[in-house]
Amino acid sequence: NAGVTQTPKFRILKIGQSMTLQCTQDMNHNYMYWYRQDPGMGLKLIYYSVGAGITDKGEVPNGYNVSRSTTEDFPLRLELAAPSQTSVYFCASIKSRDRGDTQYFGPGTRLTVL
Amino acid sequence: EDQVTQSPEALRLQEGESSSLNCSYTVSGLRGLFWYRQDPGKGPEFLFTLYSAGEEKEKERLKATLTKKESFLHITAPKPEDSATYLCAVQGVGTNAGKSTFGDGTTLTVKP
Repeated sequence: NAGVTQTPKFRILKIGQSMTLQCTQDMNHNYMYWYRQDPGMGLKLIYYSVGAGITDKGEVPNGYNVSRSTTEDFPLRLELAAPSQTSVYFCASIKSRDRGDTQYFGPGTRLTVL
Repeated sequence: EDQVTQSPEALRLQEGESSSLNCSYTVSGLRGLFWYRQDPGKGPEFLFTLYSAGEEKEKERLKATLTKKESFLHITAPKPEDSATYLCAVQGVGTNAGKSTFGDGTTLTVKP
């Protein structure tokens, strides 16, 4: 299994541009998450999904949108990029929310908005 | 609201010098407490899950312990390859969909 994969690895955007961060998992996991990590900080939850067709907001959803049309894919859309969205973005997944299910993380996308 | 505080923010050790990292948490019923290791430029990598006070888990030079208010990650005789940021996270019983709350991490540097 490849686990959780993310593309692109790096991206520079200009203010006002849009882009989609891709996330795919091949473990047949039901639950998927998008986090952002600012320098020296922990992870903040942006959006999450409990299955295909179902998404919900996390702690910091403003400026982002998601969709979940398949179990495998969970893309994150940035509309009208702003400098405050400069961060490293991680996608993660778990099989279910049973007791203590481990989150598997992707390698991250480093985004800079200038 | 679940909260996680990690200390210290940064820790420098000499190779072989044992120490501990702290994770203090508040949660309305603990479903699980997680420790992750994060290397620069990479995603977090799972280390341990602890479920209840008194529980301990070990892996090589690392040992995680749990009380009702905090968790410790003990590092015995560390090596330079143990240098990384260690993240603590909790899932509360009131949390749906397996969401975790993360601390800001402790950056460990082990000098040879």
